[in-house]
Amino acid sequence: GQQLNQSPQSMFIQEGEDVSMNCTSSSIFNTWLWYKQDPGEGPVLLIALYKAGELTSNGRLTAQFGTTRKDSFLNISASIPSDVGIYFCAGQLRNFGAGKSTFGDGTTLTVKP
Amino acid sequence: DTAVSQTPKYLVTQMGNDKSIKCEQNLGHDTMYWYKQDSKKFLKIMFSYNNKELIINETVPNRFSPKSPDKAHLNLHINSLELGDSAVYFCASSQAKGRGYTFGSGTRLTVV
Repeated sequence: GQQLNQSPQSMFIQEGEDVSMNCTSSSIFNTWLWYKQDPGEGPVLLIALYKAGELTSNGRLTAQFGTTRKDSFLNISASIPSDVGIYFCAGQLRNFGAGKSTFGDGTTLTVKP
Repeated sequence: DTAVSQTPKYLVTQMGNDKSIKCEQNLGHDTMYWYKQDSKKFLKIMFSYNNKELIINETVPNRFSPKSPDKAHLNLHINSLELGDSAVYFCASSQAKGRGYTFGSGTRLTVV
């Protein structure tokens, strides 16, 4: 089946630093999604990407849909303590699989004040 | 007003018991899902319903049976619980294919 690999698996950074993480797939998707999960909560959608090459921002977050359609990237600028959590990428095939999302294995972010 | 609400939040039960988890969404979404998150935080789809119709049924033991009485509700019943069923179960909904999900806050199931 499809597998999504996220890297790095975990990051320990100082408050104020920028963060980059990525997600690669063994197959093509036509929608890429990025979520954040806080402890004890469900994942929350951060950014959705629908076209190869698309670059979309949401506040300090910027995500890109890779041109090969097999990868996506998420950047967080000027990190703050509340950025702590697990970041998941997810891929979808819009017209197949009834909207099923395949999730990556997550990047755990720790921000030191 | 919680968009996707699951009950209970925590469930501790003995092996062999039968239990249910309930999920309701007030977003008017057509599609609902059950995902399982294991101890390594990996999220794996179990089932999906669109307008009360089962459309995704991944390789899940038939001890797990979803039920959707209407498009706002998707419940999960588990028979003969096993230790390996311990996990966090998330309900989610989405408006259309290719759109993101709204997740519930999860049900932490512990089988002892």
